[in-house]
Amino acid sequence: QKEVEQDPGPLSVPEGAIVSLNCTYSNSAFQYFMWYRQYSRKGPELLMYTYSSGNKEDGRFTAQVDKSSKYISLFIRDSQPSDSATYLCAMTILDNFNKFYFGSGTKLNVKP
Amino acid sequence: DGGITQSPKYLFRKEGQNVTLSCEQNLNHDAMYWYRQDPGQGLRLIYYSQIVNDFQKGDIAEGYSVSREKKESFPLTVTSAQKNPTAFYLCASSTIQGYEQYFGPGTRLTVT
Repeated sequence: QKEVEQDPGPLSVPEGAIVSLNCTYSNSAFQYFMWYRQYSRKGPELLMYTYSSGNKEDGRFTAQVDKSSKYISLFIRDSQPSDSATYLCAMTILDNFNKFYFGSGTKLNVKP
Repeated sequence: DGGITQSPKYLFRKEGQNVTLSCEQNLNHDAMYWYRQDPGQGLRLIYYSQIVNDFQKGDIAEGYSVSREKKESFPLTVTSAQKNPTAFYLCASSTIQGYEQYFGPGTRLTVT
């Protein structure tokens, strides 16, 4: 069993839709959670990070963490064609070395 | 303009040849990482370094080697011992205390 599971998609939505991207994890020691956006043939770009349960909002993006269920989500409101990319979740244990555990990524396509 | 650069963007080699991928950062980060990305498998850690002249193996270090002679530079050599070297290689960096990793644009290596 992978430590981080992420539905690979692809997920296809119309422009303006609300998108929900999700990851589950098995290690209760994970305390810090991140979402990256990766355009085709590019390096991942850090979108959001959070270390507490609950919601964190940044513009059209909301990151949600539920540590009791070992479940994290990224919501995108008013999705745009420019949001079409692969979204990777990542998480880490807060110790001396920042080893990151990545999901396999969900490919999102926002249709105009 | 701070960031991480990787070169070249595309690299083609014949089987049996060693090849070195470049990674440079001007973010003044202490820690640097190399990942390999294959379709549907997310990011897998090859090597990491937290300080100059020191580095550790990640999850898939076999067939790879690194050096860290300067804080800004962390080159990766893909040796002929790597059984399946064709992949997208990503370099990342972070501060020691920080929990966000920043990625370079990647190098796509094709070995035939």
